[in-house]
Amino acid sequence: GESVGLHLPTLSVQEGDNSIINCAYSNSASDYFIWYKQESGKGPQFIIDIRSNMDKRQGQRVTVLLNKTVKHLSLQIAATQPGDSAVYFCAEKTTDTGNQFYFGTGTSLTVIP
Amino acid sequence: GAGVSQSPSNKVTEKGKDVELRCDPISGHTALYWYRQSLGQGLEFLIYFQGNSAPDKSGLPSDRFSAERTGGSVSTLTIQRTQQEDSAVYLCASSPRLVLQETQYFGPGTRLLVL
Repeated sequence: GESVGLHLPTLSVQEGDNSIINCAYSNSASDYFIWYKQESGKGPQFIIDIRSNMDKRQGQRVTVLLNKTVKHLSLQIAATQPGDSAVYFCAEKTTDTGNQFYFGTGTSLTVIP
Repeated sequence: GAGVSQSPSNKVTEKGKDVELRCDPISGHTALYWYRQSLGQGLEFLIYFQGNSAPDKSGLPSDRFSAERTGGSVSTLTIQRTQQEDSAVYLCASSPRLVLQETQYFGPGTRLLVL
């Protein structure tokens, strides 16, 4: 079956350091990936996405890396700030699952001032 | 509106009662999704609407759950005869569902507590 998982459930980093959040997926046919940030009491907020024809995509202070060989996705946050503290989810979609996105359970990022 | 809105933001109900949760998607978005998020868990897909097509109900956990989308816009998720295990955050998302524009935008969720 489908599996989208995260290597670490929690991550603590010092303010100003870079953060790396990892995600593994099992379906090699996955072709679209999204990272979401969810703050306490709020809905998930889109951060960045990447398609399977790309290895890397950069946004503002965030970079997503996709390694299709090992079916691994990562989110890098540069110069982590206290406002980055949240739960981060990866989600993936494959053409053969049609409409559904599959979400990991999330990694809780805590930024230490 | 500027984003996806959901109401109510919180709902407390007694076991056995019916509840209705509302979602207003982003204007112009043809696709609408409902998810359930239990405490400390990922998002569980419930149902998907796309335009005038028949909805994908494959994620609904039981026949107590149903959803409608009227006029291709507002959607209502109904849970009949609620059970304590239905307690969760119910999230709605909408998407343009155009080629290369599949990103889902989420509402703030409805926190349901069944006593």
